[in-house]
Amino acid sequence: GAVVSQHPSWVICKSGTSVKIECRSLDFQATTMFWYRQFPKKSLMLMATSNEGSKATYEQGVEKDKFLINHASLTLSTLTVTSAHPEDSSFYICSARPRQGGNNEQFFGPGTRLTVL
Amino acid sequence: AQSVTQLDSQVPVFEEAPVELRCNYSSSVSVYLFWYVQYPNQGLQLLLKYLSGSTLVKGINGFEAEFNKSQTSFHLRKPSVHISDTAEYFCAVSGPPRGNYKLTFGKGTLLTVNP
Repeated sequence: GAVVSQHPSWVICKSGTSVKIECRSLDFQATTMFWYRQFPKKSLMLMATSNEGSKATYEQGVEKDKFLINHASLTLSTLTVTSAHPEDSSFYICSARPRQGGNNEQFFGPGTRLTVL
Repeated sequence: AQSVTQLDSQVPVFEEAPVELRCNYSSSVSVYLFWYVQYPNQGLQLLLKYLSGSTLVKGINGFEAEFNKSQTSFHLRKPSVHISDTAEYFCAVSGPPRGNYKLTFGKGTLLTVNP
């Protein structure tokens, strides 16, 4: 149980285009989903917290107009990188916190490798 | 605010040797503590977690960790490592319970197991 998927697993796009990444909780409902960014040989940096049916909360320094987050249902959150540039190339990982459960545990997706040319 | 310090960025060991990956945290409130493992180009897999109760926590793949409140540490140990344990290991903290759900990660420790 507690499986989180991400799609696509990798994507290559041209500079200036937009890319959408999906994060799904497959066997549980998630009131909260988190989006992280991981640079090579670096730790995970929290970008934003996404709550179902409300606006995402972005961490300091993260451009909300650049990284659009939508959490339309209890099993799906999307991250759209708008007008992507090479510096946006990174490994993006989502996690989901089950609706039932008070132990703060998050379950992680397998990640999406974004390369912007 | 919470923070996590992983004291070693890289730990090379030989196969079948014991290993300890160190983690210290700072927080003004009670916390939950986690260790995750990340294999190349993959997401994070939970190894073990401390929520409450016994300070010695056993996880998957033969790993265990001990919560030491006085030293604010949560070191990860394994008595005998395998080549397949080569990966990046992250210590993380969240809290307080039912409050802030955000995870704060350490910078990671690359464990390399050599034959």
